[in-house]
Amino acid sequence: AQKITQTQPGMFVQEKEAVTLDCTYDTSDPSYGLFWYKQPSSGEMIFLIYQGSYDQQNATEGRYSLNFQKARKSANLVISASQLGDSAMYFCAMRENTGTASKLTFGTGTRLQVTL
Amino acid sequence: ETGVTQSPTHLIKTRGQQVTLRCSSQSGHNTVSWYQQALGQGPQFIFQYYREEENGRGNFPPRFSGLQFPNYSSELNVNALELDDSALYLCASSLRLAGGGRQETQYFGPGTRLLVL
Repeated sequence: AQKITQTQPGMFVQEKEAVTLDCTYDTSDPSYGLFWYKQPSSGEMIFLIYQGSYDQQNATEGRYSLNFQKARKSANLVISASQLGDSAMYFCAMRENTGTASKLTFGTGTRLQVTL
Repeated sequence: ETGVTQSPTHLIKTRGQQVTLRCSSQSGHNTVSWYQQALGQGPQFIFQYYREEENGRGNFPPRFSGLQFPNYSSELNVNALELDDSALYLCASSLRLAGGGRQETQYFGPGTRLLVL
């Protein structure tokens, strides 16, 4: 079974600074996908970025980048130039293909607070 | 916004009752997944529907059931509600390609907050 570990329950960052949210994973599947989602207090899970296990380059989406280190089984999210609106819960997730289904396994999340 | 909608937004039920939650998928998507998120935890996979059939299920009892309709919208039904069913229920839609959707990003709706008293 796949497992996602997020060891930082909470993080603080000053506005305009960069922050790294940690994620490690465990799987025996050679093919997998890693996702990061943002969840504001409203509850909706907002897709941020995706990294495939066979992708040669680290994924980037605007201010978000994924530091993918396959040998270490880590997929850390880097947010550059933090904004107050970045304050939210952040979840790392792995896609597992169980037969015909494609399900996401989530970590416990990291609460990010951006301060002035 | 993702285009995935869910109703109702909030719901209060008593133990033993039954509840139906609804989800409309994003235009062009053919797969719907349901997740349960208890307070302070990450979402847990309930099941997934593709072509109107359940094609994968997490560790949830049979009193959790679902449907997918020809327009790809979906329902989650929970019978004999228990106090521990109180949670945020998230629906996610995605596009499964005929050859297998490796990327198959799931886009979530705003969720339904269920409180069981």
